[in-house]
Amino acid sequence: QLQLQESGPGLVKPSETLSLTCTVSGGSISSSSYYWGWIRQPPGKGLEWIGSIYYSGSTYYNPSLKSRVTISVDTSKNQFSLKLSSVTAADTAVYYCARPISGWYNPFDYWGQGTLVTVSS
Amino acid sequence: DIQMTQSPSSLSASVGDRVTITCRASQGISNYLAWYQQKPGKVPELLIYAASTLQSGVPSRFSGSGSGTDFTLTISSLQPEDVATYYCQRYSSAPLTFGGGTKVEIK
Repeated sequence: QLQLQESGPGLVKPSETLSLTCTVSGGSISSSSYYWGWIRQPPGKGLEWIGSIYYSGSTYYNPSLKSRVTISVDTSKNQFSLKLSSVTAADTAVYYCARPISGWYNPFDYWGQGTLVTVSS
Repeated sequence: DIQMTQSPSSLSASVGDRVTITCRASQGISNYLAWYQQKPGKVPELLIYAASTLQSGVPSRFSGSGSGTDFTLTISSLQPEDVATYYCQRYSSAPLTFGGGTKVEIK
């Protein structure tokens, strides 16, 4: 059974960089044609797609965040990571990693449990 | 970007009622539309994709329809365990976008 698990600091100071890692178990991140994604959800609000990455390193980012986002992949560790720079309180959210049902332009059927990141001094 | 608008933003219905949630795209998206259920404090779960295809394991009281710009999610007989917020998501192109959500409660 595929499992995804987010990890990283739960508290980040304003103007600093948020860094999270998603560890995939129960399957290889590089053995199938999936674009692995990051989605976030501010407390009490809706879902926002941040970006997605293929095991080769090819990425797609949400234009609203593109200038601040970097998503990378480490196939040797079966992980992919998110970096969001120059954070503000508006970046406080639960961050999820997820896998689509197939390929790239598809909905997500496997999600991590999510990790709350609070931006505060 | 293509915007997704859900209505209503919340609803209250009785157990056994038929519930309908709508999602409208600002441009045509064919049938590249999914529905998710998010129970309080839980992770979103995929219910329906391709506008009307039920994800494996999802109860048959859930159904989806529509194409182009107008879509609906229907719960044929509302159950207590259906209390959740429901989101539509288009995946016709990047950026992937979600609707604002519809909170469903039991009356």
